[in-house]
Parts: sequence; structure tokens; C-alpha cells
Amino acid sequence: DGGITQSPKYLFRKEGQNVTLSCEQNLNHDAMYWYRQDPGQGLRLIYYSQIVNDFQKGDIAEGYSVSREKKESFPLTVTSAQKNPTAFYLCASSMGAGETQYFGPGTRLLVL
Amino acid sequence: AQKVTQAQTEISVVEKEDVTLDCVYETRDTTYYLFWYKQPPSGELVFLIRRNSFDEQNEISGRYSWNFQKSTSSFNFTITASQVVDSAVYFCALRRVNSGYALNFGKGTSLLVTP
Repeated sequence: DGGITQSPKYLFRKEGQNVTLSCEQNLNHDAMYWYRQDPGQGLRLIYYSQIVNDFQKGDIAEGYSVSREKKESFPLTVTSAQKNPTAFYLCASSMGAGETQYFGPGTRLLVL
Repeated sequence: AQKVTQAQTEISVVEKEDVTLDCVYETRDTTYYLFWYKQPPSGELVFLIRRNSFDEQNEISGRYSWNFQKSTSSFNFTITASQVVDSAVYFCALRRVNSGYALNFGKGTSLLVTP
């Protein structure tokens, strides 16, 4: 089945720890995005990548990092510099930049 | 600057009622794209519709319909004969012209349909 997978579903982070959220797609999409959702809020853009080996900061990139070494994968690392990481993280992809974005099931990150 | 406003934070209806979710947008672009997504309790965003600024025809898909009016910068979403399975948060979004064409989302409208 074609789609976007995110893992884990829930992730717990300790103080000072870096954690990595996985996002994989088998749709052969070029563009991938990471959004953050806080309760009662819309989604905010963290990072995006329009093509392999290239990515750009979004509106709230501080405390996050990404890589795009493979077309199908766009992992997000939440570093210790992100002081308020508790949120729901959604990964999306589209055939090309500007095309309709499709979303994965999300990862909920909680701080211990 | 772009902005999407969904003024209705929460709506509660009884099953079989019709309900309209409002979306007002702001953009200076002459060409733009609007979207609606559904977020059920599971969390995943489900794509519902994409509409470009050149196509003002209303769209109907089963019990769902969309009313796009450029004159009032609105893109409203109506569910006819609502069902319990329609309970979700609904987001309206506007595609950016920069940032890789990422989406600017409204804050969402939480719809609760009770039996």
C-alpha cells in the first residue's frame, strides 16, 4: 500500500536528550514537510524539502534539524535546544512542491 | 502576508443536521490554492478538497459541498445530513507562494455530531 508512515506513534523525551522522529513515504513524492501542531492551534511549518539532499527552514526551525539523504525518508530530530517540544508532529509529502500534500499519522512527543 | 481565519472554534450538532464551517482567507496573490483537511481523533490529516482561485464553481461530493466566493474571500464547507463519523477537527489552508509551497493553516473548527 502506498502511503506515509511515521514512527513512533508516541515518543518520550528526557531533559537534554535529542530524539528523532521518522517519516517514510513510498509515493515517490519529491517534496516533504514537517509541521508541528499544538492543542487548539493550526499546523506550523518546521522544515521542508523539495528534493533529495536539499532542505530549508520553515517558520519554527529553531531547536530542530532534518536530513534528506533518500527520496523516501525525511527524519526530524528534536534537539535539547528545543525548550518546549511537547506537541503533535505531522509529516507530509507531495508529488512536487505546490501539489496536494498528504499527511502521515503523526507522532506525539511528550517530555518526561 | 497570508492568513486563514476559522472563526468557529467548536460546533456541536445533532445527527442529520446540516452544518457549515466557515473559512476566510487573506492573500495578495492573484493565483492561489485553498484546501480543506479533516483530522479525526486518530490525528492524521485527511485531504478533502483543493480549489484554485480561477475556479469559482461550487463543488459537491456526496454529503460534502464547498462554496468558494472570491468577492468575500471565503471558502466555506457544508456537511449535509451530518453523521457521527463526521466528528473531527476541520482545517482550512492556503498554499504559500514561498517556503516550498507549504500550507498556511487556520486554527481549525472542532465539529461534534451527537446521535
